[in-house]
Amino acid sequence: AQSVTQLGSHVSVSEGALVLLRCNYSSSVPPYLFWYVQYPNQGLQLLLKYTTGATLVKGINGFEAEFKKSETSFHLTKPSAHMSDAAEYFCAVSKAAGNKLTFGGGTRVLVKP
Amino acid sequence: KAGVTQTPRYLIKTRGQQVTLSCSPISGHRSVSWYQQTPGQGLQFLFEYFSETQRNKGNFPGRFSGRQFSNSRSEMNVSTLELGDSALYLCASSLEGTGAGSTDTQYFGPGTRLTVL
Repeated sequence: AQSVTQLGSHVSVSEGALVLLRCNYSSSVPPYLFWYVQYPNQGLQLLLKYTTGATLVKGINGFEAEFKKSETSFHLTKPSAHMSDAAEYFCAVSKAAGNKLTFGGGTRVLVKP
Repeated sequence: KAGVTQTPRYLIKTRGQQVTLSCSPISGHRSVSWYQQTPGQGLQFLFEYFSETQRNKGNFPGRFSGRQFSNSRSEMNVSTLELGDSALYLCASSLEGTGAGSTDTQYFGPGTRLTVL
């Protein structure tokens, strides 16, 4: 069975500071990994995904994530936080890119001016 | 291209009633998945439909059911509603949904917020 752990249910960062959201997964097969963002009263929007190939993945809005197989991690980063980054972020894993997604518990990001 | 649409956006029901939620996928997408989001349990997979057939199912009771039509639109039904069914129900669509080597991405709709009183 697959599982996803997101360390920290809430993260507070200052505007302009580094955003680092941690995600660790367990999977019995090579995983496909995703980060989604959810703004209040909205659905999920894909930030980026890792399927195969380059382990450093760049996504939208300046976010990127690095797949580290040895650490079973897929942490999300953004060099400089913007007020508009305030949202909840979900890491997810699947066995195939379009298949059933298993989500982490989510990390809510607060950006302080 | 229009995104995934879900109707209605908000719904209030009472215990014991049943409810039907609708999802229209992105044009050309054949796979539709449903997820339940609650503060306590987070995001949980309900089921996936592809070509009018249920292909994957999560760990939910039989009160939760769904179907998919020939135009890929999907409906989800919950019978005998319980207070714990109050949640945001999200629908996601993708091209094919599965298959080794597939690089499909699931695109989510805005959700239907169901409140059970």
